[in-house]
Amino acid sequence: EPEVTQTPSHQVTQMGQEVILRCVPISNHLYFYWYRQILGQKVEFLVSFYNNEISEKSEIFDDQFSVERPDGSNFTLKIRSTKLEDSAMYFCASGWGMDTQYFGPGTRLTVL
Amino acid sequence: AQTVTQSQPEMSVQEAETVTLSCTYDTSESDYYLFWYKQPPSRQMILVIRQEAYKQQNATENRFSVNFQKAAKSFSLKISDSQLGDAAMYFCALGSGGGADGLTFGKGTHLIIQP
Repeated sequence: EPEVTQTPSHQVTQMGQEVILRCVPISNHLYFYWYRQILGQKVEFLVSFYNNEISEKSEIFDDQFSVERPDGSNFTLKIRSTKLEDSAMYFCASGWGMDTQYFGPGTRLTVL
Repeated sequence: AQTVTQSQPEMSVQEAETVTLSCTYDTSESDYYLFWYKQPPSRQMILVIRQEAYKQQNATENRFSVNFQKAAKSFSLKISDSQLGDAAMYFCALGSGGGADGLTFGKGTHLIIQP
């Protein structure tokens, strides 16, 4: 059964550094998403991506964040200058629309 | 703005018993979906069950079923014959907007299974 994959599983970085989190969505899905979950809290929507552009973004998704689909399979989230409060689990998800979203296993980001 | 409320931070049930997790939501959309996701200690988000708002029939998936009360904006999850592997965080989520909008999640319920 196809699944969403994410790399790396765990990323440790220094404050102020740039990180790129990678995702391979399910191949025939149309919508791609990034969410984050700070430890012990609920999952929060960051951004959705459709037809090679951002569809919606939350207030969390400020100028330090960007997303890209550099080729036909990968979907990336870049954080330009990481802050301590960016430490969280980042989930990629994909789907055909609002009816179902399949989540990847997540990347745990630790900012020191 | 959409909201999802899970009022039970933690629930405990004996193995083989039945447990119901509560969820209420609010949305101005007429077309939406509701979901229950399971998050075990590995922190993977696993889709358990989904309900289409325009369908009156409650969704079922094996031991998992929902009680969808549209007028009351209530969407509870019933787990029958609870198993040790059901122990996890359970998140209720709401989706609408044709796919562009992300899901809105509740704060989750931690389900403990007593052997």
